[in-house]
Amino acid sequence: DIQMTQSPASLSASPEEIVTITCQASQDIGNWLAWYQQKPGKSPQLLIYSATSLADGIPSRFSGSRSGTQYSLKISRLQVEDTGIYYCLQRYSNPRTFGGGTKLELK
Amino acid sequence: EVKLLESGGGLVQPGGSLRLSCAASGFTFTDFYMSWIRQPPGKAPEWLGVIRNKANGYTTEYNPSVKGRFTISRDNTQNILYLQMNTLRAEDTAIYYCATGNWFAYWGQGTLVTVSS
Repeated sequence: DIQMTQSPASLSASPEEIVTITCQASQDIGNWLAWYQQKPGKSPQLLIYSATSLADGIPSRFSGSRSGTQYSLKISRLQVEDTGIYYCLQRYSNPRTFGGGTKLELK
Repeated sequence: EVKLLESGGGLVQPGGSLRLSCAASGFTFTDFYMSWIRQPPGKAPEWLGVIRNKANGYTTEYNPSVKGRFTISRDNTQNILYLQMNTLRAEDTAIYYCATGNWFAYWGQGTLVTVSS
């Protein structure tokens, strides 16, 4: 199975700050990566797919990038509603695998 | 509007069976791959398997972690996705979600399965 190592496990940031979360794939997965946000008691919501494409209805302050097998989710101007847990997902090969998650809190 | 509504969860004893359903609406069900994903309390989601769309013959693939115990099927006349779970174990305790497509663009609200004696 492809392992997705996400970091940091948690972080705290202030409103309007720039936040970056990363996922390291254990092998080449091309652009077959997505990012999700999950709020307490809710199902995950797709933010980014194909590593860099913004999902429908997602604010443009969210962006995705790739450098080799490292993928990043950037939130350019953190808002209060951005708190939650963020997960990456690879769909390059089955079984599809998620990262361990990054818990984002606001200061 | 896309809607996915899971049902069928509950408390089941180890070794027991359960069938989950996911009622879909707001899109052409037969055009979409459909997956089951579960999330144990406080942990990351785990993809369980997929059933492909009509164009791909409704074939299935499973995570090896559940292959042989779990079976995914679909009723394309009633737009319902199923997950048959057999020989359940305590570690199968989780919220079970259905999700659409290859990128899981839409998820249901989930149904809780608790495996305990």
